[in-house]
Amino acid sequence: EVQLVESGGGLVQPGGSLRLSCAASGFTFSNYWMSWVRQAPGKGLGWVANLNQDGSDKYYADSVKGRFTISRDNGKNLLYLQMNSLRAEDTAVYYCARDRDGKDVWGQGTTVTVSS
Amino acid sequence: EIVLTQSPATLSLSPGERATLSCRASQSVSSYLAWYQQKPGQAPRLLIYDAYNRATGIPARFSGSGSGTDFTLTISSLEPEDFAVYYCQQRSNWPHTFGQGTKLEIK
Repeated sequence: EVQLVESGGGLVQPGGSLRLSCAASGFTFSNYWMSWVRQAPGKGLGWVANLNQDGSDKYYADSVKGRFTISRDNGKNLLYLQMNSLRAEDTAVYYCARDRDGKDVWGQGTTVTVSS
Repeated sequence: EIVLTQSPATLSLSPGERATLSCRASQSVSSYLAWYQQKPGQAPRLLIYDAYNRATGIPARFSGSGSGTDFTLTISSLEPEDFAVYYCQQRSNWPHTFGQGTKLEIK
């Protein structure tokens, strides 16, 4: 079964850091671009970042550029999102997704809450 | 940044009716537009990619059309499970922006 499972969410204070992980299974992880997408409470979807197959090509939303870093370990079938200098407005459910012609496989999401 | 504007914000229809959802881009995205469905408490699901291609397992009642700046998602005859929020997203230019969503609710 093709599957993505996120982990690493939680409660963090403003200015803090968190690393999210996304474990892929059931497909050849190293063949695909991967994404992070977030959804603030009661709001729509927001694209966060994308990464190509070997990790050499990265793109970020302006709102997270310089604070978040997307990376991957193809040997472990893992996608990461390192989040630094977190702000209240980063509070959201974070989804990882596989990129094909669209985002055709999604994880169940992990919740990040930034609050003092 | 390409802005995607979805209309209407909310669409109230009954099962069996036809639904037409619109997504307009602030500049051409060619055919690089996808549609997603999201139900409460669930992850989004890919319905349509590259404007008119149905994703794997998506029923034929869902269809997409358009190119350039104007796109439409049509649900030919609504089933009870189709009431959800629908988003469009472009992958023509970075950042890969989403529209703000259309909520399809039961009338």
